[in-house]
Amino acid sequence: DAMVIQNPRYQVTQFGKPVTLSCSQTLNHNVMYWYQQKSSQAPKLLFHYYDKDFNNEADTPDNFQSRRPNTSFCFLDIRSPGLGDAAMYLCATSRAREQFFGPGTRLTVL
Amino acid sequence: AQTVTQSQPEMSVQEAETVTLSCTYDTSESDYYLFWYKQPPSRQMILVIRQEAYKQQNATENRFSVNFQKAAKSFSLKISDSQLGDAAMYFCAYRRGYGGATNKLIFGTGTLLAVQP
Repeated sequence: DAMVIQNPRYQVTQFGKPVTLSCSQTLNHNVMYWYQQKSSQAPKLLFHYYDKDFNNEADTPDNFQSRRPNTSFCFLDIRSPGLGDAAMYLCATSRAREQFFGPGTRLTVL
Repeated sequence: AQTVTQSQPEMSVQEAETVTLSCTYDTSESDYYLFWYKQPPSRQMILVIRQEAYKQQNATENRFSVNFQKAAKSFSLKISDSQLGDAAMYFCAYRRGYGGATNKLIFGTGTLLAVQP
């Protein structure tokens, strides 16, 4: 089945230690999104790619970076995670009207 | 700027009963889409139903239907014959209609639905 895959599902890192989350898709969608979702809150868009064109939300901290080496893969890099960065990170894709979400990676910062 | 408001943080329904989740939105645009997404505990977010603003007919997907009141900017979700598997956080979301796939979703704060056996 075509889908959005996120690895790992659970990630534990230490305060200040860089971490990378990955997302892949088999939908061949040209747009990919990264969201941060904290407990019982709505997802917050961090950035998105339209093909290789990167679009950052104005309030996304500089600590968050992203890479999209090809259509299928997209990475979220957190350069120096703080305790406040502990959250669920959702990847989504879109070609037209709807967004399709992956299962998320739950990040714990110790 | 567009906003989406869900005024019910939590709702509860008995199994097999009907429940309605409320959503209002604010926009000055005429072309847009509205969505209800379901996010079960520790599971991924899935699309429940979609409504195009230009369509007068309310969308329906099996047990799920919407009451779209464009003039009132209201978009409620009705779940009929509730099942235990319907227990989840439900998010109402808005998306501008023009501009292609890059248009971002604007989410409400969510309604946590509990289904009692």
